[in-house]
Amino acid sequence: QQPVQSPQAVILREGEDAVINCSSSKALYSVHWYRQKHGEAPVFLMILLKGGEQKGHEKISASFNEKKQQSSLYLTASQLSYSGTYFCGTESKMNSGGSNYKLTFGKGTLLTVNP
Amino acid sequence: EPEVTQTPSHQVTQMGQEVILRCVPISNHLYFYWYRQILGQKVEFLVSFYNNEISEKSEIFDDQFSVERPDGSNFTLKIRSTKLEDSAMYFCASTQGSQAFFGQGTRLTVV
Repeated sequence: QQPVQSPQAVILREGEDAVINCSSSKALYSVHWYRQKHGEAPVFLMILLKGGEQKGHEKISASFNEKKQQSSLYLTASQLSYSGTYFCGTESKMNSGGSNYKLTFGKGTLLTVNP
Repeated sequence: EPEVTQTPSHQVTQMGQEVILRCVPISNHLYFYWYRQILGQKVEFLVSFYNNEISEKSEIFDDQFSVERPDGSNFTLKIRSTKLEDSAMYFCASTQGSQAFFGQGTRLTVV
């Protein structure tokens, strides 16, 4: 089953913060976050592998609560370049050996940052 | 920086025709994927490929679809007898670790 993202869309003024949530009804092994600009391919932001793990990339960070099967993406002091659709991708089982996996993407959250 | 390349960037085909979408994954990657994104919708998994065979496929990936790695560098997705609903962006991705690198996509328009 695909993960559920919320909100569907958010509009910010430059410098404002936003949180995008991702939840799954299945036990999660990892959560991936991607950003897609209109007409372009999804670009990897980060992967969270452990319950309670937090990671950061510049002013974008994320948390992963394995027990709650949830992840949140935090965008702090948003910049115009943050605009795009944010997808979470979940991997719900661990594959033995190698790193073969199937990502199941949520429907995406459209983030618009205005000047 | 290494990248996944896809050709063509845009293909228009008549319903019922066969199309082949091409991808050149990053050279030392071992796992390859095709995803599809219908306009305005989410990215959907089609198939994963490892060691010259399909390792997993979704319910979307029916007999109309096939994948091949014909020459050790290209990774192709063939769609036989295209339908209008096959119109979408098709993304190829490859991985060596946990991070997936996506190509820029091929926009397929079936008319």
